[in-house]
Amino acid sequence: QLQLQESGPGLVKPSETLSLTCTVSGGSISSSSYYWGWIRQPPGKGLEWIGSIYYSGSTYYNPSLKSRVTISVDTSKNQFSLKLSSVTAADTAVYYCARHEGDCSGGSCYWGPLDYWGQGTLVTVSS
Amino acid sequence: DIQLTQSPSFLSASVGDRVTITCRASQGISSYLAWYQQKPGKAPKLLIYAASTLQSGVPSRFSGSGSGTEFTLTISSLQPEDFATYYCQQLNSYLPLTFGGGTKVEIK
Repeated sequence: QLQLQESGPGLVKPSETLSLTCTVSGGSISSSSYYWGWIRQPPGKGLEWIGSIYYSGSTYYNPSLKSRVTISVDTSKNQFSLKLSSVTAADTAVYYCARHEGDCSGGSCYWGPLDYWGQGTLVTVSS
Repeated sequence: DIQLTQSPSFLSASVGDRVTITCRASQGISSYLAWYQQKPGKAPKLLIYAASTLQSGVPSRFSGSGSGTEFTLTISSLQPEDFATYYCQQLNSYLPLTFGGGTKVEIK
């Protein structure tokens, strides 16, 4: 059974960089046709897709966050990571990692639903 | 960006009721739509993808329909464990992947 687990600091100061890691177990992050994504949810609010990465390193980001986001992958550790720079209180949220299908080999991309999720981790931005 | 508008945003219903939630897309997305259920303090759970395909293990009382810009999630007979918030998500090839604002289903 595939499992995803987020880890990282629960408190980040304003203007600093939020860093989270998602560890995948029960399956390989190098599986073809699967992307690994980050989604966040501010307290009491809805869901926002941050971005996704393929095991090869190809990344796709939400344009609203693209200037501040970096997603990377470490296949040797079966992990992928999120860095969000210059954080403010508006970045306070539960951050989830998740898996979804994807295929961008044909010029345009096909995206599948988010079928496996981590439990989520609350990150608070505060001094 | 493709905007998804869910209605209603809040729904009060009784066990055994038939419940329908609507998701409207700001432009056509064919059948590239998924539905998720989220309970308090938990990650969302995939219910339906490709607008109408039931995810493995999801009870058959859940069903989805629609294409283009209008989609529905129906729960044929609401059970106590179905009280939750439901989100739609569009999976069109053009990014970003976006979610609807959510529909909270509460006990009447």
